[in-house]
Amino acid sequence: QVQLVESGGGVVQPGRSLRLSCAASGFRFNDFGMHWVRQAPGKGLEWVAVISYDGSEKHFTDSVKGRFTISRDSSKNTVYLQMNGLKSADTAVYYCARGLKDYWTGYHWDYWGQGALVTVSS
Amino acid sequence: QSVLTQPPSVSAAPGQRVTISCSGSSSSIGDNYISWYQQLPGTAPKLLIYGNNMRLSGVPDRFSGSKSGTSATLDITGLQTGDEATYYCGTWASSLNIGFFGGGTKLTVL
Repeated sequence: QVQLVESGGGVVQPGRSLRLSCAASGFRFNDFGMHWVRQAPGKGLEWVAVISYDGSEKHFTDSVKGRFTISRDSSKNTVYLQMNGLKSADTAVYYCARGLKDYWTGYHWDYWGQGALVTVSS
Repeated sequence: QSVLTQPPSVSAAPGQRVTISCSGSSSSIGDNYISWYQQLPGTAPKLLIYGNNMRLSGVPDRFSGSKSGTSATLDITGLQTGDEATYYCGTWASSLNIGFFGGGTKLTVL
């Protein structure tokens, strides 16, 4: 069965860095784009970043451009989110999600991890 | 403020029907497919509906989705207390390479 397991969350001071990991299993990792979606406390979902199935394309929401990077390691079936210059506004649960694209039904996120909490506070 | 607009909350009695709306623009909803996600309290979101109206395997047929122009709706019939959750619409704007979610609608089954 498909599993996505995030790790690396924690408490970090403003301006510091943190790296999240998402270990994938139960599917052909190299066939799927992988996303990060976050949810601030008591708020809704916010799409953050995507990396294509082969790592050649990466896209970010405007608020994290220049601060966050996304990467993947096919040998470990893992996707990473490197977060630099963290701000209090980045405090959220970060979910890893698999992207599924189909010609007839478009693009959607079909599996999600359990989330990793990142708290940015001094 | 989300690109996709949903009502903050809806409520109805067990056995009744509710409709949750999701409105956007031509570049968000109009040109792309909508999916719907259910988030039970304290848990990760789960996919319910994709491709505007396709139910994920295992999702009861009490849940249905539709889209017309720049608006989409999620219908839930025969409400059960277990349906209490926050529901999000989402879309991938392929022309922008950006994902969007609505602000979420909290469903209360009275």
